[in-house]
Amino acid sequence: EPEVTQTPSHQVTQMGQEVILRCVPISNHLYFYWYRQILGQKVEFLVSFYNNEISEKSEIFDDQFSVERPDGSNFTLKIRSTKLEDSAMYFCASSESRAGDYNEQFFGPGTRLTVL
Amino acid sequence: QKEVEQNSGPLSVPEGAIASLNCTYSDRVSQSFFWYRQYSGKSPELIMSIYSNGDKEDGRFTAQLNKASQYVSLLIRDSQPSDSATYLCASKGGGSYIPTFGRGTSLIVHP
Repeated sequence: EPEVTQTPSHQVTQMGQEVILRCVPISNHLYFYWYRQILGQKVEFLVSFYNNEISEKSEIFDDQFSVERPDGSNFTLKIRSTKLEDSAMYFCASSESRAGDYNEQFFGPGTRLTVL
Repeated sequence: QKEVEQNSGPLSVPEGAIASLNCTYSDRVSQSFFWYRQYSGKSPELIMSIYSNGDKEDGRFTAQLNKASQYVSLLIRDSQPSDSATYLCASKGGGSYIPTFGRGTSLIVHP
């Protein structure tokens, strides 16, 4: 069964460093998302991406974040200058559509980001 | 601000019993509702989606939606210890295509 994949599974970085989290969405899906979940807290939406541009973003997704689809399969989240409070699980998700039928989002296994 | 509320639990049920998980949502124009299961340290896994009032059954799982009461529930029949996880409720609609998640209810199924 097709699935969303993410790399790395765990990333440790120093405060102020840049990190890139990678995702490969399900191949026939057109909508891509990044979420984060701080330990013990809710899943929080960061950004959605369609047709090579951001379609929605949350207040969390400020100038230190960016997303890119550098090729036909990868979808990346870059955090430019990491802060301690960026430590969280980051989930990539994808969906075939965003409304109506087939709008369910399927999540990847996540990347645990630890900022020291 | 859209809110999805869930009792954090834990809800403890014996093996073989019916587990009933509940969720309320604040945005009356929400149209799509989802239940995800999340094991500790893992990602959310979609179990059910429901869009119309009433019941929707899939195997041991039944989702129930009551839009008038802004209430969604998930019933798990013949609960198994492997069902022990956190169950996330999410709603979507009202001009946004992004689901709003609740904090989740922790379910413990004991042998």
